[in-house]
Amino acid sequence: NAGVTQTPKFQVLKTGQSMTLQCAQDMNHEYMSWYRQDPGMGLRLIHYSVGAGITDQGEVPNGYNVSRSTTEDFPLRLLSAAPSQTSVYFCASSYSGGVTDTQYFGPGTRLTVL
Amino acid sequence: ILNVEQSPQSLHVQEGDSTNFTCSFPSSNFYALHWYRWETAKSPEALFVMTLNGDEKKKGRISATLNTKEGYSYLYIKGSQPEDSATYLCASSGGSQGNLIFGKGTKLSVKP
Repeated sequence: NAGVTQTPKFQVLKTGQSMTLQCAQDMNHEYMSWYRQDPGMGLRLIHYSVGAGITDQGEVPNGYNVSRSTTEDFPLRLLSAAPSQTSVYFCASSYSGGVTDTQYFGPGTRLTVL
Repeated sequence: ILNVEQSPQSLHVQEGDSTNFTCSFPSSNFYALHWYRWETAKSPEALFVMTLNGDEKKKGRISATLNTKEGYSYLYIKGSQPEDSATYLCASSGGSQGNLIFGKGTKLSVKP
């Protein structure tokens, strides 16, 4: 049982490049989410999904796209990277997204945009 | 968007000291309060989920209390150890699909 996995662990992009951050979970969780963590800020929700085929925006969705074609995978796409997207990105999942459900976090992807 | 505040931002204690820190959140439309422990270079790990006013949870030397009427939660660590050094995050469930609104965390450093 690997839990929540993320790839890559580190990535450097140039402004304007696109890339996809991968997230997968093997716990059969319905709810998955992406957060970004910046110095001096709390974790901020980018996008979330309550099940395959369903996604919605969080607090800071601009510049990011998501899709959820399977229960296991929830990739985050940066369409045209900007220096403001330099951050650490965490993927998380929970059983059903209920208010008391524990969210399990992946190890994070550290992204630098030059 | 809910505003979740944590204080202090950082805390330095000696091994063996007991310590506590605060999480405050809007008391209206409260659903649940989560505490996470986040060690450097690792991912956040859940400590407690609390929902009821007056609730108290305990895990080893760490405990937490909840006051939903006034909108705060305390996290206590008894007899701090160097391995307790981490950032402690609290988050309030915003009510929408269980999305969490996080505070900025309290960074605890325990010196041997």
